[in-house]
Amino acid sequence: QQQVKQSPQSLIVQKGGIPIINCAYENTAFDYFPWYQQFPGKGPALLIAIRPDVSEKKEGRFTISFNKSAKQFSLHIMDSQPGDSATYFCAASKRGSSNTGKLIFGQGTTLQVKP
Amino acid sequence: GAGVSQSPSNKVTEKGKDVELRCDPISGHTALYWYRQSLGQGLEFLIYFQGNSAPDKSGLPSDRFSAERTGGSVSTLTIQRTQQEDSAVYLCASSLAAVASFEAFFGQGTRLTVV
Repeated sequence: QQQVKQSPQSLIVQKGGIPIINCAYENTAFDYFPWYQQFPGKGPALLIAIRPDVSEKKEGRFTISFNKSAKQFSLHIMDSQPGDSATYFCAASKRGSSNTGKLIFGQGTTLQVKP
Repeated sequence: GAGVSQSPSNKVTEKGKDVELRCDPISGHTALYWYRQSLGQGLEFLIYFQGNSAPDKSGLPSDRFSAERTGGSVSTLTIQRTQQEDSAVYLCASSLAAVASFEAFFGQGTRLTVV
C-alpha cells in the first residue's frame, strides 16, 4: 500500500531525445506526486510536482503526465541535454493536517544523456 | 543559512561505536524529516518532526536509532552501536509545514561508513 514502483532503473538517451520515467503507486490516499533530481554528492532537489486533480503539468522542458485511474504517473524530459544526466526519483505523499506529509520514494532512475 | 545544512558531510566510524548526525533546517521551517539512502537505493523515511507535536518515528529501523529536535530547530540523529548495514547517506529535509507547503528542501547529506 505504501510502495511506489519506478522504472526503468537506468536510461541512456542521445542529446535531444525524450527520456520517459514511469512510476506506479497503490495508495489512493496519496495526493501529492513530486519528482526529485539528484546529482552525485548532492541532496535531491524538487523538479516538478503534480496533484491528482490534473492530468498533466509542464515546467520548462519537464512534463508530468498523471493517470489517476491507472495509479500511474510519468516524467518526460523534452530536448534532453547532457546536463540533465542525474538520478531521478518519483515520490508520493498524503498532505493535510492529519498526516505527516512524509514522502514515499521510488527506487530511482539513473539517466545518462550522451552528447 | 540559505539551505538545509548537515554535518559532518562524511563520517567513518568503527562498528559498535555511536554516531551523531546533525541537521540545521531552513529558518522558519517547522517540518523536519530524516531519510536514509543506501547505495543504489531510493530514499527510506526514518522520522518526522512537526513543531511541538510528537514525532513520527515509524520509519526508524531499530531501537539503536533515535532523533531529537531541540527548540524546534536543529535536529540530531543518533545511531548507537553502529553496524555495517547502517552505512548509507543520511539526508535531512525541511519544509514550511506538511500542511502549508509541498516542497521539502534537502540537505547534502551525511555519508556514514561503518568499518
